[in-house]
Amino acid sequence: GIQVEQSPPDLILQEGANSTLRCNFSDSVNNLQWFHQNPWGQLINLFYIPSGTKQNGRLSATTVATERYSLLYISSSQTTDSGVYFCAGSSNDYKLSFGAGTTVTVRA
Amino acid sequence: SQTIHQWPATLVQPVGSPLSLECTVEGTSNPNLYWYRQAAGRGLQLLFYSVGIGQISSEVPQNLSASRPQDRQFILSSKKLLLSDSGFYLCAWMTGVGYTFGSGTRLTVV
Repeated sequence: GIQVEQSPPDLILQEGANSTLRCNFSDSVNNLQWFHQNPWGQLINLFYIPSGTKQNGRLSATTVATERYSLLYISSSQTTDSGVYFCAGSSNDYKLSFGAGTTVTVRA
Repeated sequence: SQTIHQWPATLVQPVGSPLSLECTVEGTSNPNLYWYRQAAGRGLQLLFYSVGIGQISSEVPQNLSASRPQDRQFILSSKKLLLSDSGFYLCAWMTGVGYTFGSGTRLTVV
């Protein structure tokens, strides 16, 4: 399966700061998603973004498919943004492979 | 609307006891269904996936099994739980815009 590498593993932010999370893939993907795992474990789908750029409020994501990476931007971070962010991708086998996650802590 | 249900939310089971976790989806037919496990503080590992009734593919050899008795039902089972089976189990289905996950079952084997 596809290998997914996320960086950084941990991120501590002051409220109001901006940040960028990165995800690298070992092979081409036709499905790429970013998730936020809340304190109860629920995986919230942030973006389905196999290519291009999308924005949803203070969050945006960009995938450069030809270079096999994706970026998640958090702007004006809030304490509610804390949690673990996962990226995941799959190729034609439709088996979603996850990165190890980035743990984000936003301090008031 | 399309929804995914997973239960129970939490479960504490003794070593050697059986396990049955259920996942059902609504609002779709013939979905691709998946079982993932997340060990404490780690990423998600694909355990099983199914593209149709009775069709199960196993990704990791282990103490667990899966079944799909109905189109929108996916069951994760074990005959005898081990301590290492503890974790957070998530069911997912593949939609036209990626995967949607259930709310998960937190299993503790004692």
